Amino acid sequence: GENVEQHPSTLSVQEGDSAVIKCTYSDSASNYFPWYKQELGKGPQLIIDIRSNVGEKKDQRIAVTLNKTAKHFSLHITETQPEDSAVYFCAASIEGSARQLTFGSGTQLTVLP
Amino acid sequence: DTAVSQTPKYLVTQMGNDKSIKCEQNLGHDTMYWYKQDSKKFLKIMFSYNNKELIINETVPNRFSPKSPDKAHLNLHINSLELGDSAVYFCASSQRPDYGYTFGSGTRLTVV
Repeated sequence: GENVEQHPSTLSVQEGDSAVIKCTYSDSASNYFPWYKQELGKGPQLIIDIRSNVGEKKDQRIAVTLNKTAKHFSLHITETQPEDSAVYFCAASIEGSARQLTFGSGTQLTVLP
Repeated sequence: DTAVSQTPKYLVTQMGNDKSIKCEQNLGHDTMYWYKQDSKKFLKIMFSYNNKELIINETVPNRFSPKSPDKAHLNLHINSLELGDSAVYFCASSQRPDYGYTFGSGTRLTVV
């Protein structure tokens, strides 16, 4: 089955700096890669996703890049703000299959004021 | 309107007790899940139901028993609670297993 590894497990950045979280996946058939943000005391929420037919997707200050050859994808947050502090999870699946999402182990991002 | 709601939000109980957590979704999704999140934040799938039928039952002690009375509800009953069961339990739903999960806000279970 699919295995998703996520790094780093913790990340601290100064407010205004950029943050990058990286994930690798094992199943080359995976073609859908969402990212979830979990704020303190809440459940994970989808913030952005990418499919394997594109290499990059942006939504305001967040972007996700995908390298299918290397089987890795990354979340980029620019101009970080304190409200970006949260746990971020990457995930992978084969869209259209009956297989569930496989989640990474999470990254605790702390934005220091 | 909350899309995926779980109750209770907090649950403190003694070892050996039996407790239930309820989950309801109003999104019309066909698939529902229970996840366990430990202190290291790792999300571990426990169960997956599709249209009231059990699809996935990961390596979970049989003290945990899910029950889906209809496709909008998936409850989790836990017998003979142990200290190691302390965690945050998340219910989630999706239209398909591979896409578009919506999570509830979690139930923090503390076994003392």
